[in-house]
Amino acid sequence: TQLLEQSPQFLSIQEGENLTVYCNSSSVFSSLQWYRQEPGEGPVLLVTVVTGGEVKKLKRLTFQFGDARKDSSLHITAAQPGDTGLYLCAGTEVGDMRFGAGTRLTVKP
Amino acid sequence: DVKVTQSSRYLVKRTGEKVFLECVQDMDHENMFWYRQDPGLGLRLIYFSYDVKMKEKGDIPEGYSVSREKKERFSLILESASTNQTSMYLCASSFYQQGAYQPQHFGDGTRLSIL
Repeated sequence: TQLLEQSPQFLSIQEGENLTVYCNSSSVFSSLQWYRQEPGEGPVLLVTVVTGGEVKKLKRLTFQFGDARKDSSLHITAAQPGDTGLYLCAGTEVGDMRFGAGTRLTVKP
Repeated sequence: DVKVTQSSRYLVKRTGEKVFLECVQDMDHENMFWYRQDPGLGLRLIYFSYDVKMKEKGDIPEGYSVSREKKERFSLILESASTNQTSMYLCASSFYQQGAYQPQHFGDGTRLSIL
C-alpha cells in the first residue's frame, strides 16, 4: 500500500508571503494530482503531473514532480486569502489511487 | 464540465438506522468511488465500482455496502448506523485510460451525523 505523506499538516501565513508544501512517498507513481478543497465542498482538481522533473504553473501556483516520480511540491507565490483551503495530493498507479491527508493552509489578510 | 451530485449536503440520523447516500454523475464515467474524510486521516476509500453491478472493497468497507444498478448512480448504504460513522462522505467518478485511473471528479460531500 502506497503511503503519501504531506507536510506541513497546517500552515498559517500572512497575505503576500510565499510558501511551499510537500507530498512524499516511497512509491513510484505514474501520475500525481493536486486538489484544493474549500470548507463545505468537495476537492477540485488543480493539476496532474506525469513526467519526472515536470514543472507546471497555474498563475501563482507552481507544481513540481520529482525526478524519481515519488514526490511533489506545490509553491504559492504572494499568497492571497482566496488560497485558503485544504491541499491534497493523490498518487496514481495502475489500478490504484491514493490520497495524502492534506495540508490545511490559512492565508490571513 | 463534469458534474457529480450528492443527494444531501447535511444529514442527521440515529444509531441503528439504515442510511442511504446517493451520488449521480453526468459524464458516463465507468468508475465511481465512495470515500470518507476525517480530520488528520485524509480520504479513505470505502468502496468503488468499475462498472454497473460491479463493486470492490476499498480500505474501510466494514459497516457499509454499495449499489450500482445504473452507470450514472452509485449509492452508499450504512446498514445499521453507528456513531463512529459520523463523517464527511465524498463521492467521486473518473474514467479509465491507458491502464490508469484518470483524475477523479468529486461531489460537494455529505456531512453525516449519527446521534
